[in-house]
Amino acid sequence: EAGVAQSPRYKIIEKRQSVAFWCNPISGHATLYWYQQILGQGPKLLIQFQNNGVVDDSQLPKDRFSAERLKGVDSTLKIQPAKLEDSAVYLCASSDLARGTGELFFGEGSRLTVL
Amino acid sequence: GENVEQHPSTLSVQEGDSAVIKCTYSDSASNYFPWYKQELGKRPQLIIDIRSNVGEKKDQRIAVTLNKTAKHFSLHITETQPEDSAVYFCAAIRGKLIFGQGTELSVKP
Repeated sequence: EAGVAQSPRYKIIEKRQSVAFWCNPISGHATLYWYQQILGQGPKLLIQFQNNGVVDDSQLPKDRFSAERLKGVDSTLKIQPAKLEDSAVYLCASSDLARGTGELFFGEGSRLTVL
Repeated sequence: GENVEQHPSTLSVQEGDSAVIKCTYSDSASNYFPWYKQELGKRPQLIIDIRSNVGEKKDQRIAVTLNKTAKHFSLHITETQPEDSAVYFCAAIRGKLIFGQGTELSVKP
């Protein structure tokens, strides 16, 4: 089966510019996650969707980050305006919680560099 | 909310030796504890997991133990090989998956 798709793989922007990342989860996976992974650290959950509803966005810096999952499939994460500390890999993951395994399947990630 | 602490942050072993990575969690209601392996520049991938109703699980050279009373769980890798070199993350879930800080394992030939 196809895995989690993300794009772009790499993005370099200057501070105060905006950027958007796209994610297409594994077909049939109702739960979608966006994680931020700063170099040398563990992934940090930004937002979790169940279908097209938000389950948890307590760690999302809402003054600059936004995410949506229209129609409960693809998702977009936007940063506007970007700061230097936003440089990280943004990982999208999906899972099929209805089947109870809890395993997250990650995409390759989108590496953001803010100059 | 849940907090996961992972130790050590780096671990270097000789090929063939065992490696142990330990994690503690704060939320006693957490019920699922996966371990992910992340090679340099690649995505995290699940290597083993354990649920709260089980004390130990083994898969070939990898095992995980869980002590619910003490709220800690450990990853054990026996007969380590150079290809085991990677960053390992523990995680705990109660609604959402929270990761530890990671352990960089280096296996020297």
